[in-house]
Order: sequence, then C-alpha cells, then structure tokens
Amino acid sequence: RKEVEQDPGPFNVPEGATVAFNCTYSNSASQSFFWYRQDCRKEPKLLMSVYSSGNEDGRFTAQLNRASQYISLLIRDSKLSDSATYLCVVIHSGTYKYIFGTGTRLKVLA
Amino acid sequence: DARVTQTPRHKVTEMGQEVTMRCQPILGHNTVFWYRQTMMQGLELLAYFRNRAPLDDSGMPKDRFSAEMPDATLATLKIQPSEPRDSAVYFCASGLGEERPTFGSGTRLTVV
Repeated sequence: RKEVEQDPGPFNVPEGATVAFNCTYSNSASQSFFWYRQDCRKEPKLLMSVYSSGNEDGRFTAQLNRASQYISLLIRDSKLSDSATYLCVVIHSGTYKYIFGTGTRLKVLA
Repeated sequence: DARVTQTPRHKVTEMGQEVTMRCQPILGHNTVFWYRQTMMQGLELLAYFRNRAPLDDSGMPKDRFSAEMPDATLATLKIQPSEPRDSAVYFCASGLGEERPTFGSGTRLTVV
C-alpha cells in the first residue's frame, strides 16, 4: 500500500462544475501538506499549501482532516484550463521528505 | 524567473550503458531532490540532499544508481548499467529551507 493514495481518475466534468478530490495518507507523522498541479509532459508546480483550518485561493479550497488522515481539494466553477493532474504531497515531521501521491487526472469538458 | 535546469532533456540509450543526468539547482537553494516518474508508480523520491549532504537515498536502487552533489551548483544522478525498466522521466527539484521545491523540466530517459 502506498503511503499517499489518490483516486487516479480521470474525473471528466463540464465547464462550470464543482469537483473535489481526496487524498489519504498513512503516516501519522505527516506534518505538512500541499497540492501540486502537473500538466501533460510538464513538471509539477505548486498549487497551494494545505493548512489545518482549511484555506482558499480563488476558486480552489483545500482542507485537512488529521483524524481521518486525508486532505481534499475543491475546485469551483471549473475552467478548461484546470485540466491537469493534481498531486497531493505530504512531508514527515522533522524531515524534508516530500512524498507525492500518484495524482488524480481532471478533464474539464466544453 | 529563477529555474532548475536539467540536462539532457531527452536521452535514448542501449541497455547496459551508463547514463548521467545533471541538475543545476536554483542559486541559493540548499535542498535538492531527485524523483522518478512512471505511469505505474507516479512520482517516487529517489534521493535528496541538504547543504550538499545526502539525507536519504532509501528510494534508490543502490546497485546501479548513484546520486552526488560535487558542488552547490551541480547535482548528478547516474545509472550504471542501465536497464529498460529504468525508462522514466527523472525530475530534479530544489528548495530553500521551508519553501516548497521547484521542479526542473525533467530528463526523459528511454533504455532500449
């Protein structure tokens, strides 16, 4: 079992829809959490950090549930340009070890 | 914008040959990561360095892979001998302290 798990998708949604992804992690020592975005044949790029109280960045909302050991990403009013793979990342306490999930593929359809 | 530079962008080699991938981290960054990405396994952490010292290379097959930082401006990942199962995209990323790592464009390796 992988330490960080994501539903690979693809999630096919129409423009304007709201879509949510979950990511579960198994190591309770995980301390910091992030979402990265990766476009086809490109490198991953930081989308947003995930804070304990939840945080929002425009149409994107990230949540953390430590008790159930999962993080989520909500995208509202999805755009064609949101089509990409979304990777969740966890870092263990006291280390710089960034562990990536396998990613969830999103396709926003016109 | 500062960027992480990886060379070569693409490499096709025959099984058994040595492959060397290079990475120039962003100037001033003190943490360097090597990742391998395949369709089946996703992004796997192979090794990472802080202030040029290897902190963890437990994700790396030791018999054929080696990672080094000869100086602060260069990180290398070598595979010797290469095998077809090593075919993947290899990413280098660098960061400073608590900042999130910035990725290079990757080296797409094909071993035939």
